[in-house]
Amino acid sequence: DTAVSQTPKYLVTQMGNDKSIKCEQNLGHDTMYWYKQDSKKFLKIMFSYNNKELIINETVPNRFSPKSPDKAHLNLHINSLELGDSAVYFCASSQDRRGRGGYTFGSGTRLTVV
Amino acid sequence: SQQGEEDPQALSIQEGENATMNCSYKTSINNLQWYRQNSGRGLVHLILIRSNEREKHSGRLRVTLDTSKKSSSLLITASRAADTASYFCATLNTNAGKSTFGDGTTLTVKP
Repeated sequence: DTAVSQTPKYLVTQMGNDKSIKCEQNLGHDTMYWYKQDSKKFLKIMFSYNNKELIINETVPNRFSPKSPDKAHLNLHINSLELGDSAVYFCASSQDRRGRGGYTFGSGTRLTVV
Repeated sequence: SQQGEEDPQALSIQEGENATMNCSYKTSINNLQWYRQNSGRGLVHLILIRSNEREKHSGRLRVTLDTSKKSSSLLITASRAADTASYFCATLNTNAGKSTFGDGTTLTVKP
């Protein structure tokens, strides 16, 4: 069983569209994250939820809205997609909000905005 | 510049050689972690070293941490072609409540 699974793996869409990426973890972790990795492989945290509560909200356009229906799921909705949103988006989880035991990552969603 | 900077940016070696990657950071940390990312895949956690530890081993991996110099190194001994990947360090500052990843070192091991 995949520990952190995110769907879809690939997403190609036109500018201006709205799209969602879903993430689920079966590790029983309390905390989940969304990271964005750009073309230069730089990995930047976007959001973090702990037991459905938003705890980290980095400087991200408000077109990005995370939703956590329960602690095992963290989805990312993006409105009015722009070319600059093209990147690989990774979901991750950790045992607690401090991430002391390390992070388990999903395999990524490659978003291409055309 | 970013918290958690790796050097070199790219490293190319022959199979069987050792590979050393370095990570420098700026603020105080609670722990430092190393991850591997194969092309087109997610990051895989390799090893975690706490701020009160100086060295840690896991199989062919050896990690050192020097908090006075705010640096860490990852040594992969007897490298294999399958070790070809990007390697990232991540520093955890519990006061900030988050980890910060470096830019990564791309390792190529030639068979």
